[in-house]
Amino acid sequence: GAVVSQHPSWVICKSGTSVKIECRSLDFQATTMFWYRQFPKQSLMLMATSNEGSKATYEQGVEKDKFLINHASLTLSTLTVTSAHPEDSSFYICSASAPGVYTEAFFGQGTRLTVV
Amino acid sequence: GDSVTQMEGPVTLSEEAFLTINCTYTATGYPSLFWYVQYPGEGLQLLLKATKADDKGSNKGFEATYRKETTSFHLEKGSVQVSDSAVYFCAPPGVTGGGNKLTFGTGTQLKVEL
Repeated sequence: GAVVSQHPSWVICKSGTSVKIECRSLDFQATTMFWYRQFPKQSLMLMATSNEGSKATYEQGVEKDKFLINHASLTLSTLTVTSAHPEDSSFYICSASAPGVYTEAFFGQGTRLTVV
Repeated sequence: GDSVTQMEGPVTLSEEAFLTINCTYTATGYPSLFWYVQYPGEGLQLLLKATKADDKGSNKGFEATYRKETTSFHLEKGSVQVSDSAVYFCAPPGVTGGGNKLTFGTGTQLKVEL
């Protein structure tokens, strides 16, 4: 299957700073990427859907000014958590899909964000 | 819209026990169906898939049959191992067009003990 690489795998930052998480499709072109936040007891919450070259579509309740998503190329999407606070600490996971090429989506390994 | 209902966990089994995790779906048409697995501290990996009705997906001893008549895609394994301890997600009908939302439920945590 195709490979999606997410970086960093973990990050600790100070409250008030911004953190950028990268999601790359290594061997295919991902027209659509998804960003998730995973809460305790494994619940996966879809935060936003991004299509290459266009603005991300955010789910209800997700602050688009706080969670900036950029999908500038077919192999890279980034999630920037701006002015992070301790309540933003979580496990963030990206996935990438190529409709018409693959039926399934491929996931990155996740990023553990801890805001202190 | 398309969705899945998955059995809640946690599920605790002894090694070599039989596993079933139920999943039912609602969908328009006959989409592909998937099971993903998440090991501790990692992202999700595709475990198996079925692309049409009556298809059986299988991998690593796990199986799931796409049953149109009951709109189900239950995950089964005849003899679980400690290494199968993970969270299992029944995924919504597959991405079939650009921009389809890919949403998941809470998953089912499986713990296998010696």
